[in-house]
Amino acid sequence: GQNIDQPTEMTATEGAIVQINCTYQTSGFNGLFWYQQHAGEAPTFLSYNVLDGLEEKGRFSSFLSRSKGYSYLLLKELQMKDSASYLCAPYSGAGSYQLTFGKGTKLSVIP
Amino acid sequence: ETGVTQSPTHLIKTRGQQVTLRCSSQSGHNTVSWYQQALGQGPQFIFQYYREEENGRGNFPPRFSGLQFPNYSSELNVNALELDDSALYLCASSSSGGHFLREQFFGPGTRLTVL
Repeated sequence: GQNIDQPTEMTATEGAIVQINCTYQTSGFNGLFWYQQHAGEAPTFLSYNVLDGLEEKGRFSSFLSRSKGYSYLLLKELQMKDSASYLCAPYSGAGSYQLTFGKGTKLSVIP
Repeated sequence: ETGVTQSPTHLIKTRGQQVTLRCSSQSGHNTVSWYQQALGQGPQFIFQYYREEENGRGNFPPRFSGLQFPNYSSELNVNALELDDSALYLCASSSSGGHFLREQFFGPGTRLTVL
């Protein structure tokens, strides 16, 4: 398994910045996905990092350090609609395109 | 372009029964993956079908089986249902190729409750 570790819950204030961390085992690693999942809904794709560094996409950015087995998702200018679970998913690329998801971080944005 | 659809939306079964869940992949996608998501957990990979063949399987017992049809829609069958099978079942469709996983789209899921 990937031994994926993310905080279970986080709370942040509207308009603020929040960083959601994810650590994983580096063996057989190809890339890392972040998905957003609102309660009762399907996960939706946020980002995919293959190379080290920060990738920015609007209010959301994702960082990867392959050697450290570490990634984070950075959410800026938080909005109430950002309240959701954020799933970290390392990808081994071992032929079957299987994604292994972490348990997710439930983010609550408060006024 | 039609997205991924799943049916039924909700389902209630009793222990020992069998269930079939259905997924219609997004237009142009030939690969379907199935995931089980228990409450408060991340999705767990069950298996994947590519061009009607199983193309990888997670740590699920044989009573979880599947099919993919020529139109790339798919079924997940679960026999001898157990209480722990209660979960949200998600399917995700994608197309093969270098950007395969960037194009993986999830359906809304089927909520299965086993009593």
